[in-house]
Amino acid sequence: DAGVIQSPRHEVTEMGQEVTLRCKPISGHNSLFWYRQTMMRGLELLIYFNNNVPIDDSGMPEDRFSAKMPNASFSTLKIQPSEPRDSAVYFCASSMGRRNYGYTFGSGTRLTVV
Amino acid sequence: KQEVTQIPAALSVPEGENLVLNCSFTDSAIYNLQWFRQDPGKGLTSLLLIQSSQREQTSGRLNASLDKSSGRSTLYIAASQPGDSATYLCAVRDSGNTPLVFGKGTRLSVIA
Repeated sequence: DAGVIQSPRHEVTEMGQEVTLRCKPISGHNSLFWYRQTMMRGLELLIYFNNNVPIDDSGMPEDRFSAKMPNASFSTLKIQPSEPRDSAVYFCASSMGRRNYGYTFGSGTRLTVV
Repeated sequence: KQEVTQIPAALSVPEGENLVLNCSFTDSAIYNLQWFRQDPGKGLTSLLLIQSSQREQTSGRLNASLDKSSGRSTLYIAASQPGDSATYLCAVRDSGNTPLVFGKGTRLSVIA
């Protein structure tokens, strides 16, 4: 398996532009998580899905952030409009709901908003 | 609400030393606990997973222990090497479908 695949790896955009981050989870995993990592706050959970259904989006910082999971093999995180304070590394992870099963993380998308 | 604390925040040791990284969590009713490694500018790599019914897991020079009743886990690294330099993150999961809660990590430097 290729693991959790995120794209793009790096994104530089101007303030006010729309940004879309993409994630392909591991086949067969039924849970998908979006995290954001910054030096100040560490890893923060933004939203997670079980069986493609959003369960908890309380970590989404503002209405400018939205996430979708149209099917079991694809999810997007969109920021519109983007702001400089959104600059961070965004990670996607997937897992199965089993006690002996951990998370697998993607390589992340480094977002810079200028 | 589950909270995870890692001590120390940073650690510097000479090569060859055995070391212990500490993790504590506030709610002992956990589902499992996972240790990750993160190299600068990189993603998270899973090192060890301990299920709630287990006491420890081992992989090579790494050994992770879990004491649920006291809300603690330790990651033991034997014979440390410069290549072990990275940030080590502890995370706990409260149920099968809830998200991992992370500590802020311990930044380890192993000096040759």
